[in-house]
Amino acid sequence: GAGVSQSPRYKVTKRGQDVALRCDPISGHVSLYWYRQALGQGPEFLTYFNYEAQQDKSGLPNDRFSAERPEGSISTLTIQRTEQRDSAMYRCASSGGGGGNQPQHFGDGTRLSIL
Amino acid sequence: QKEVEQNSGPLSVPEGAIASLNCTYSDRGSQSFFWYRQYSGKSPELIMFIYSNGDKEDGRFTAQLNKASQYVSLLIRDSQPSDSATYLCAVPTFSGSARQLTFGSGTQLTVLP
Repeated sequence: GAGVSQSPRYKVTKRGQDVALRCDPISGHVSLYWYRQALGQGPEFLTYFNYEAQQDKSGLPNDRFSAERPEGSISTLTIQRTEQRDSAMYRCASSGGGGGNQPQHFGDGTRLSIL
Repeated sequence: QKEVEQNSGPLSVPEGAIASLNCTYSDRGSQSFFWYRQYSGKSPELIMFIYSNGDKEDGRFTAQLNKASQYVSLLIRDSQPSDSATYLCAVPTFSGSARQLTFGSGTQLTVLP
């Protein structure tokens, strides 16, 4: 596709349920990033993939959060046993490479609400 | 001290004026700097990036970088109401082998018609 595509756009679920958020990066982009953005704040890094390899997961808040990108394209961010504090906008970005000079392009995000 | 700091604003300028947005960063090793624009309810959109000291101009936008002072700014000339948005400064920081973007909290700009 032309841009980074994320689904679903909105997800409302009850506390304790598992959720899976999907990201389809820009075609040909080898690097994929997950961020979380709270209202009034800039995006906060969660994890990064180069092709299918998860290179950095230092931003994942705890072990309820995991991510995968098995074929080096589409990625899934999974949150197990959701808690209300997990409510946020989750954004995916992709870039042509992992170098720091490669601009990252963001998707429209998934708004997650935990009841 | 946060790694990337911005004045949260809000910053209001009249239409046609120059809007000046500022950002400071703590990592002296940072080599590249990005400005994103985020309209309310939308995703961040890359508008400028700069690698070298000095100025970089793109249309009505000018990014200025001073590595010695660890300061990067964005000037918007002839501001338009459509420029009203939150402007995010982002700096790649190393974490292991990866480069992640560290964002400031953003400056909310309002251009008054």
